[in-house]
Amino acid sequence: DAGVIQSPRHEVTEMGQEVTLRCKPISGHDYLFWYRQTMMRGLELLIYFNNNVPIDDSGMPEDRFSAKMPNASFSTLKIQPSEPRDSAVYFCASSFSSDNYGYTFGSGTRLTVV
Amino acid sequence: QKEVEQNSGPLSVPEGAIASLNCTYSDRGSQSFFWYRQYSGKSPELIMSIYSNGDKEDGRFTAQLNKASQYVSLLIRDSQPSDSATYLCAVRGYGQNFVFGPGTRLSVLP
Repeated sequence: DAGVIQSPRHEVTEMGQEVTLRCKPISGHDYLFWYRQTMMRGLELLIYFNNNVPIDDSGMPEDRFSAKMPNASFSTLKIQPSEPRDSAVYFCASSFSSDNYGYTFGSGTRLTVV
Repeated sequence: QKEVEQNSGPLSVPEGAIASLNCTYSDRGSQSFFWYRQYSGKSPELIMSIYSNGDKEDGRFTAQLNKASQYVSLLIRDSQPSDSATYLCAVRGYGQNFVFGPGTRLSVLP
């Protein structure tokens, strides 16, 4: 399996622009998670899906952030408008619905908003 | 608020020594416990999971869990410079959501 695939790997954008991050989970995994990692706050859960349905979005910082999962093999995280404080590494992860499995993370997208 | 705490380090150990990484958690209902390794600039990688009190060994790694004390640890025997990384403790309660600790940075000195 190719693992969890994220794109782009790096994104540099100007403040106020729309940013879209993409994720393809491991085939067969029924949970998908979006995390943000910064030096100050560590790994923070933004939102997670089960069978394409959002379960908990309480970590989404504000209305500028939105996430969708239109099918089992694709998810997007959108920031509109972007701000410099959104600069971070955004990870997507997926897992089976079993207590015996941890997450598998994608390679991440490093976002820089200038 | 569910919390997971770790010493941020850096923890420095000489090559060949045992590295001991510790983690405490606040939610007594937590069910599963995981250790992730994250190299600089890379994504977290799952290295150990533990669900029952006691020890679990996998190669040079041993995870230890004490639910009464709400404490989980990771021992790395015969530490190698390639073990130098940040180690993240993750705790899962009921449901699928993990809470990650801030991580401990380990440096193994040749």
